Amino acid sequence: GEDVEQSLFLSVREGDSSVINCTYTDSSSTYLYWYKQEPGAGLQLLTYIFSNMDMKQDQRLTVLLNKKDKHLSLRIADTQTGDSAIYFCAETDSGSARQLTFGSGTQLTVLP
Amino acid sequence: DAMVIQNPRYQVTQFGKPVTLSCSQTLNHNVMYWYQQKSSQAPKLLFHYYDKDFNNEADTPDNFQSRRPNTSFCFLDIRSPGLGDAAMYLCATSRDLKDLEQYFGPGTRLTVT
Repeated sequence: GEDVEQSLFLSVREGDSSVINCTYTDSSSTYLYWYKQEPGAGLQLLTYIFSNMDMKQDQRLTVLLNKKDKHLSLRIADTQTGDSAIYFCAETDSGSARQLTFGSGTQLTVLP
Repeated sequence: DAMVIQNPRYQVTQFGKPVTLSCSQTLNHNVMYWYQQKSSQAPKLLFHYYDKDFNNEADTPDNFQSRRPNTSFCFLDIRSPGLGDAAMYLCATSRDLKDLEQYFGPGTRLTVT
């Protein structure tokens, strides 16, 4: 079955860039997502990328997709303390949000 | 402006004692989902409703049931909770099955004693 993997923890200094990485196994993935979960809150969709793209930028967020290596990354520029959260990578192969497969999440800690 | 609301946020139940978790939405979305998220693990889809049609994931235990009495509300019933059912339970909605985004509630953390 599909598998999505992420490292569990990342710490960065405030003002630095953060890069959160994700690998997936399903070569038929059509959409890849990044969700953010703040303490005590639900998952919030940050951005998604279609598999025929290799980059998407949205303000401080840059998503890079290497389809050959099945590697997805999320770069957060000028990381702030409010960016501290768990970041989940997810994919679907059907174009439907119904069949999301999530990674285990990366806990981002932003140090002052 | 709450969109997906889950009650209660924290629930404690005893081993074997039935428990019901509640989810409501103000988005008028057709699809509602229930996920189980154990500590440091990925959310795992248990089932979803498309309107009144119930769709169970193949590996969801029979111990878990769901009800959707109307568009706004969806309930997760755990008939005989075991210690292994302690987890965060997330409710989510989407406009329809082709919608790319799911909107999540804050979750209910279930403890089984």
